[in-house]
Amino acid sequence: DAGVIQSPRHEVTEMGQEVTLRCKPISGHNSLFWYRQTMMRGLELLIYFNNNVPIDDSGMPEDRFSAKMPNASFSTLKIQPSEPRDSAVYFCASSLDRSQPQHFGDGTRLSIL
Amino acid sequence: AQSVTQPDIHITVSEGASLELRCNYSYGATPYLFWYVQSPGQGLQLLLKYFSGDTLVQGIKGFEAEFKRSQSSFNLRKPSVHWSDAAEYFCAVRRGGGADGLTFGKGTHLIIQP
Repeated sequence: DAGVIQSPRHEVTEMGQEVTLRCKPISGHNSLFWYRQTMMRGLELLIYFNNNVPIDDSGMPEDRFSAKMPNASFSTLKIQPSEPRDSAVYFCASSLDRSQPQHFGDGTRLSIL
Repeated sequence: AQSVTQPDIHITVSEGASLELRCNYSYGATPYLFWYVQSPGQGLQLLLKYFSGDTLVQGIKGFEAEFKRSQSSFNLRKPSVHWSDAAEYFCAVRRGGGADGLTFGKGTHLIIQP
């Protein structure tokens, strides 16, 4: 079975540009999570959705960050405008339901120059 | 708010030796606890989980973990490590009962000596 699929795997762009990260959760999973991993702060939850509805976005660092889940099989995380301090690995994870473990994608390594 | 502490940033173990990675959590009620492993350039793979019941849980790749409420700990163990176990290991906690996100420890980097 396909796992969580993230694209792109790597993204390098200049400061000020818009960045869009994409995630396809495991089919049938109804919870989706976005995390960010940096050396300084480790793994942090940014936002999570349940049945396509954002439940908790308290981890989203600034208004420059936004996330959507238009349907059960697709989510995006957008940064506009991007800044060098946004450089990190961004992970998407999904779980079958609210009581089950999360399965992670391979992440998107984002570098903002 | 819940928190997770992994006191060891790096651990070096000889191949074939036993392993124990420490994890302490802070949460008022019974937490949901997890151990994940991350290889370089990869995502996180679930090793095992504890929700309730038997405090000794078995996972994949020969790993096990023991939940000790009195010590607020959830240490990961393996009786004999293999070179392929070299990776970053993360302990995580989630508040029980909801579809909340995970709070992770900072990770322990495991190095295997031949």
